[in-house]
Amino acid sequence: AQSVTQLDSQVPVFEEAPVELRCNYSSSVSVYLFWYVQYPNQGLQLLLKYLSGSTLVKGINGFEAEFNKSQTSFHLRKPSVHISDTAEYFCAVSEVNTGFQKLVFGTGTRLLVSP
Amino acid sequence: EPEVTQTPSHQVTQMGQEVILRCVPISNHLYFYWYRQILGQKVEFLVSFYNNEISEKSEIFDDQFSVERPDGSNFTLKIRSTKLEDSAMYFCASSVRRGNQPQHFGDGTRLSIL
Repeated sequence: AQSVTQLDSQVPVFEEAPVELRCNYSSSVSVYLFWYVQYPNQGLQLLLKYLSGSTLVKGINGFEAEFNKSQTSFHLRKPSVHISDTAEYFCAVSEVNTGFQKLVFGTGTRLLVSP
Repeated sequence: EPEVTQTPSHQVTQMGQEVILRCVPISNHLYFYWYRQILGQKVEFLVSFYNNEISEKSEIFDDQFSVERPDGSNFTLKIRSTKLEDSAMYFCASSVRRGNQPQHFGDGTRLSIL
């Protein structure tokens, strides 16, 4: 079974500052890794995914994440945040060998961007 | 861009009543999922569905839950006899195929059990 830990429940940051949202996972098998964003009263939108290959993946809205296998981490970063980035961010994993791609989510990190 | 649509956006139901949550997945997608998020908690997998069959279900998905694809476009989640603890946001998702294809989520249905 897999598990995902997002240690920070809330991250306050000023506009134009850099941000890192942390994600660690536990799994006995290879996994795919995802970051989803949830804006207020909306569903989950895929930000980026790591499937294989380069460990640095770029997503939408200027976000990127780096897969670190030895540390079982997949931290999300943005060099300069905007007010509009205020949202809940979820890290998720799915087993590579599972045919139906059940997603296991972390508890989420609320990013609060202030002027 | 095609999207997953869910109706209603908010459902209020008396405890013990049956409720049906509806979803229209993206048209060329073949794999369908339901997740739920109890307020303040993580998003949890309920069930996956492919080729008119349940392919995987979680321990949450007990006998009071059922899923159906009644026609070529809708995908429904039925809760037979609702309990207070069923109050949650329910998300439908779909993917074009299995493996590394990302799931696309709807905006959710907020279910409130009184």
